[in-house]
Amino acid sequence: ETGVTQTPRHLVMGMTNKKSLKCEQHLGHNAMYWYKQSAKKPLELMFVYSLEERVENNSVPSRFSPECPNSSHLFLHLHTLQPEDSALYLCASSQDRGRYTGELFFGEGSRLTVL
Amino acid sequence: AQKVTQAQTEISVVEKEDVTLDCVYETRDTTYYLFWYKQPPSGELVFLIRRNSFDEQNEISGRYSWNFQKSTSSFNFTITASQVVDSAVYFCALSGDYKLSFGAGTTVTVRA
Repeated sequence: ETGVTQTPRHLVMGMTNKKSLKCEQHLGHNAMYWYKQSAKKPLELMFVYSLEERVENNSVPSRFSPECPNSSHLFLHLHTLQPEDSALYLCASSQDRGRYTGELFFGEGSRLTVL
Repeated sequence: AQKVTQAQTEISVVEKEDVTLDCVYETRDTTYYLFWYKQPPSGELVFLIRRNSFDEQNEISGRYSWNFQKSTSSFNFTITASQVVDSAVYFCALSGDYKLSFGAGTTVTVRA
């Protein structure tokens, strides 16, 4: 079992649908992250949670809503998305969320296509 | 503000050739960390190395080596005697300001 597990691996949704991405880490880490990876663009940090508290929201549209019920689970709720939101969404975790972040452990990503 | 630039979008080599990936960064921090990650076709990013800003020693790990030059704000990565399994997207990243900033990535294709 990998350290960071993301489901579903692939998701196709219409612009009016509501869906959620799930991330689970089995590493005992206390910080979790959502990144968006679009083609030919750098990874974009979306949200950071440390000890279940959201500590960063990187100007993400409100149609993306994160939830962190405990230190092992992270969700990204999706509602009324746009075609340009189609991307690979990567979840990551780390041991601590200090100023100089250490190694991040990534999941395999959820490939989202918005029609 | 932080910025990481990977000028090479794609590199294609024949197996056993050496390949060097360039990374140039910008930061106002005096203490920071630099990273390289590998993203194989399966999707997950795999950590390769972390280097702190006070340690400019080059590092070698098997066929991988890294050249950190603070004077030119560069942290280049060389794969020696490349293999087909090295085919992946490689990302350079810079830490600071409570987050990791990534470059756009370089796609390396190693042909048999």
